[in-house]
Amino acid sequence: AQSVTQPDIHITVSEGASLELRCNYSYGATPYLFWYVQSPGQGLQLLLKYFSGDTLVQGIKGFEAEFKRSQSSFNLRKPSVHWSDAAEYFCAVGRGATNKLIFGTGTLLAVQP
Amino acid sequence: DGGITQSPKYLFRKEGQNVTLSCEQNLNHDAMYWYRQDPGQGLRLIYYSQIVNDFQKGDIAEGYSVSREKKESFPLTVTSAQKNPTAFYLCASSPRTGDSNQPQHFGDGTRLSIL
Repeated sequence: AQSVTQPDIHITVSEGASLELRCNYSYGATPYLFWYVQSPGQGLQLLLKYFSGDTLVQGIKGFEAEFKRSQSSFNLRKPSVHWSDAAEYFCAVGRGATNKLIFGTGTLLAVQP
Repeated sequence: DGGITQSPKYLFRKEGQNVTLSCEQNLNHDAMYWYRQDPGQGLRLIYYSQIVNDFQKGDIAEGYSVSREKKESFPLTVTSAQKNPTAFYLCASSPRTGDSNQPQHFGDGTRLSIL
């Protein structure tokens, strides 16, 4: 069965430090992968997406993610975190032609001054 | 600006009542979705619709109903059969797809609570 795992429930980083949020997926075919961010009480905003081609994808707000087929991973990275990056981050995989998404359980990011 | 509007932002329901959550989009998207979000569980798909007058059950459809009479609108009714309705509900839309996946765009959600 298709699934998405975000192993880290909660992460705290210092402002200016680098960030990596982990995402592992289970999907039989070529996956369509997404990272979304959610501020408290708000909807989800798309950060970046991977469909095919280059395995390193760039997104908004200085985020990037690397697709590694051999490790079934799609980790999100940012070189230098800003206080405004504090939010919850969700990884998701697309389920084919119906465009349904399977979401991970999310990683809550806290940023220390 | 195009987007998805969910209303109301907060909703309270008494035991035994049905309530309807509104979702309107002006993105000209064919597909629309309803998700339920609970702490620590991510988002779970309730219903989705790929075209007007057609919709399909998602992973947790029991106790919910939807309609899709217009392209722009996809209201969700939480019925009295839903025993644990307290949650944050998110509506999303995307262009109709064939074999590829397109990102879903989300509204700002409705928080439903039981009185």
